[in-house]
Amino acid sequence: GESVGLHLPTLSVQEGDNSIINCAYSNSASDYFIWYKQESGKGPQFIIDIRSNMDKRQGQRVTVLLNKTVKHLSLQIAATQPGDSAVYFCAENWGDMRFGAGTRLTVKP
Amino acid sequence: DTAVSQTPKYLVTQMGNDKSIKCEQNLGHDTMYWYKQDSKKFLKIMFSYNNKELIINETVPNRFSPKSPDKAHLNLHINSLELGDSAVYFCASSVRANEQFFGPGTRLTVL
Repeated sequence: GESVGLHLPTLSVQEGDNSIINCAYSNSASDYFIWYKQESGKGPQFIIDIRSNMDKRQGQRVTVLLNKTVKHLSLQIAATQPGDSAVYFCAENWGDMRFGAGTRLTVKP
Repeated sequence: DTAVSQTPKYLVTQMGNDKSIKCEQNLGHDTMYWYKQDSKKFLKIMFSYNNKELIINETVPNRFSPKSPDKAHLNLHINSLELGDSAVYFCASSVRANEQFFGPGTRLTVL
């Protein structure tokens, strides 16, 4: 499944499928980007980050892609699990960290 | 050990009251922040403190004032509370503008 940021703030996927959460950032001078996961009733938690001199970075089951040409960031989650259900935020840094609007990911068993 | 802690977790109060939310971090970070998260989950930065100096002050009403007694604490004082102040407030800390570690949040309800 795939979200397109503000126009689709909710993404629903089947357990085991791959998820793609998209984010359009605002400042072409941003040099550092982070994806955060926020579970219900908790504060945001760091998932993965990427510097502007990179196009791709992989973590455990997660991959972040950065396209500076169109100011686009995406988070790919492989084999999505029920525990991945949360709100996901992208954040960009150009002196201070600015958060995007968030996308709610719901994983159906 | 809790890295970033906030108290209280829930705060219910009447309009017009003055209240404070406390935040402490034991990570040795040099920068601390306060965010407001509205009902649509939008996170808005309110303040940040770096080495006891305010370095960001967004368009926040002056009824809100951060107080940092030391590098490990950044408290948020709110005067004359209004209905629109109801939200979840998060404290966070970082080493400069890198990855931020968030507290568990304080849900403020103004009646």
